[in-house]
Amino acid sequence: AQSVSQHNHHVILSEAASLELGCNYSYGGTVNLFWYVQYPGQHLQLLLKYFSGDPLVKGIKGFEAEFIKSKFSFNLRKPSVQWSDTAEYFCAVNAGSGYSTLTFGKGTMLLVSP
Amino acid sequence: DADVTQTPRNRITKTGKRIMLECSQTKGHDRMYWYRQDPGLGLRLIYYSFDVKDINKGEISDGYSVSRQAQAKFSLSLESAIPNQTALYFCATGEDRRRSNTGELFFGEGSRLTVL
Repeated sequence: AQSVSQHNHHVILSEAASLELGCNYSYGGTVNLFWYVQYPGQHLQLLLKYFSGDPLVKGIKGFEAEFIKSKFSFNLRKPSVQWSDTAEYFCAVNAGSGYSTLTFGKGTMLLVSP
Repeated sequence: DADVTQTPRNRITKTGKRIMLECSQTKGHDRMYWYRQDPGLGLRLIYYSFDVKDINKGEISDGYSVSRQAQAKFSLSLESAIPNQTALYFCATGEDRRRSNTGELFFGEGSRLTVL
């Protein structure tokens, strides 16, 4: 079964700082990878996803993530964060099989101070 | 209107009571899921259904049951609620990956349940 590990539970940054959130997964086969965001009091929304092709994936709101297969990693990045990026971020993985389910990491709470 | 609707949005109940959380969707997806979210634990899968006749246990199904009444409806029941079932519950839908290999899930707004 697949599992996901997010390195940081809480991250505090000032506006304009650069962001990188770590995500590692454990599964030996083909995977699909996702980052979801949950703004305070809201439901989860998709930031970006990787299925195949270019390992550098660009998502909404200036976020991007890089899939490094050899490291089983899918780290999320943003060059310059804004106060409105304050949210909880979840990495998720499902196996390539059409019958697999999505497994989430425990989340990283990002607080951006003005 | 939301594509994935959960009711109730908030509920406070007492230990031992039966609770049902309902989910309906207008996305036309075959697959539906129930997750619970707890601080520091992320989202954990309770039950999922790939079509109307299909029900599968997830990671933490004990103490829960589900019913897939129609393609668009998927209900989660707590037969006898206990305090450690206090959590935020999310319903999600997804396309049949044999037709569309996206794997992306679409979430409802969540149902916050408190068991006293």
